[in-house]
Amino acid sequence: AQSVTQLDSQVPVFEEAPVELRCNYSSSVSVYLFWYVQYPNQGLQLLLKYLSGSTLVKGINGFEAEFNKSQTSFHLRKPSVHISDTAEYFCAVSTIKAAGNKLTFGGGTRVLVKP
Amino acid sequence: DAGVTQSPTHLIKTRGQQVTLRCSPKSGHDTVSWYQQALGQGPQFIFQYYEEEERQRGNFPDRFSGHQFPNYSSELNVNALLLGDSALYLCASSQQPDTQYFGPGTRLTVL
Repeated sequence: AQSVTQLDSQVPVFEEAPVELRCNYSSSVSVYLFWYVQYPNQGLQLLLKYLSGSTLVKGINGFEAEFNKSQTSFHLRKPSVHISDTAEYFCAVSTIKAAGNKLTFGGGTRVLVKP
Repeated sequence: DAGVTQSPTHLIKTRGQQVTLRCSPKSGHDTVSWYQQALGQGPQFIFQYYEEEERQRGNFPDRFSGHQFPNYSSELNVNALLLGDSALYLCASSQQPDTQYFGPGTRLTVL
């Protein structure tokens, strides 16, 4: 079984400051890794994903994440946030197997960008 | 290209009733997954359908059932509703075994 831990439930940050959201996972097999964003009263939007290859992954809206296999982490970063980045962010994993690719999510990190 | 669509947007039911939620996948996708997101929590996997069969199931009781149609659209049925079933129900589609894309969700309130 897999599990995902998002170490910060809330992250307040000032506009134009950098932000890092931490994600650690546990799995006995190889995984795919994802970050999704959820704006109020909306569904989830894919920010970026790691399937294989380069461990530094770039996504939409200036976000990037780095896969660290030895530390089982997949932290999300943005060098300069905007007010519009205020949202909830979810880290998720799925296992690499033929019989389905269910996602296991962390509890989420709420980012509040202050002017 | 239309994304994943879900209906209805909101739904209010009373305890003991039954509900059906609907999902149309993104064009070209053959797999539909359903998730339950309680307030303030991350989504929890309910089940996944591929080729009209349930391929994977999460830790949900048999009151939760589903169906996938030949056009890949899907329904989620919940019987004997409980107060604790109040949540946002999210549908996601993918082209197995690739990335899942989510719809806007259906907000279910059980009174």
